[in-house]
Amino acid sequence: SQQGEEDPQALSIQEGENATMNCSYKTSINNLQWYRQNSGRGLVHLILIRSNEREKHSGRLRVTLDTSKKSSSLLITASRAADTASYFCATDDNAGGTSYGKLTFGQGTILTVHP
Amino acid sequence: KAGVTQTPRYLIKTRGQQVTLSCSPISGHRSVSWYQQTPGQGLQFLFEYFSETQRNKGNFPGRFSGRQFSNSRSEMNVSTLELGDSALYLCASSLAGGTGGHGYTFGSGTRLTVV
Repeated sequence: SQQGEEDPQALSIQEGENATMNCSYKTSINNLQWYRQNSGRGLVHLILIRSNEREKHSGRLRVTLDTSKKSSSLLITASRAADTASYFCATDDNAGGTSYGKLTFGQGTILTVHP
Repeated sequence: KAGVTQTPRYLIKTRGQQVTLSCSPISGHRSVSWYQQTPGQGLQFLFEYFSETQRNKGNFPGRFSGRQFSNSRSEMNVSTLELGDSALYLCASSLAGGTGGHGYTFGSGTRLTVV
């Protein structure tokens, strides 16, 4: 089952603009991760934020986490055409303390960056 | 170092047949997780193997099974294929099945089409 919602489902912007994607989840978590997927290929890990962290940066990526609202956002600054992909949030759940090897994914946001 | 290798990349099978997919994790990684990705259900966790033992299982019928070998390579098998099994099957590799501050490394996937 899906952990929650991502919005928007699709986002279309121009190169150089910022892109913001949001993710909500339902259970308590150990951490939340963001992945990128190009054209139905494998997932590429972008960034991980732990449940006790509120914000994290990696290059042009900025992730925030609000555990009280069970939500996260991914900001991509100064977007490029090469950022065109689907973006997924995924939670490492803390349900019962044992969730070996399991991530629960959101539905994804399709980002299109026009040159 | 080499990434996660999934073979084959594409498969076409007939309803009722069975199929075996293979995943070779990153050298030194002992945990392999499997996911099914479909347009309707998104990314769903199938199962996780660590040191040849299944430690976690998702909500899939018994037609879906897997195993792991002593070299950490993993296979998943789907018997009595149904049209709804058409999907992208992804495996993810990690040191021990928990993210430990790092994300999972995914393979490029096997695209299974059942006709």
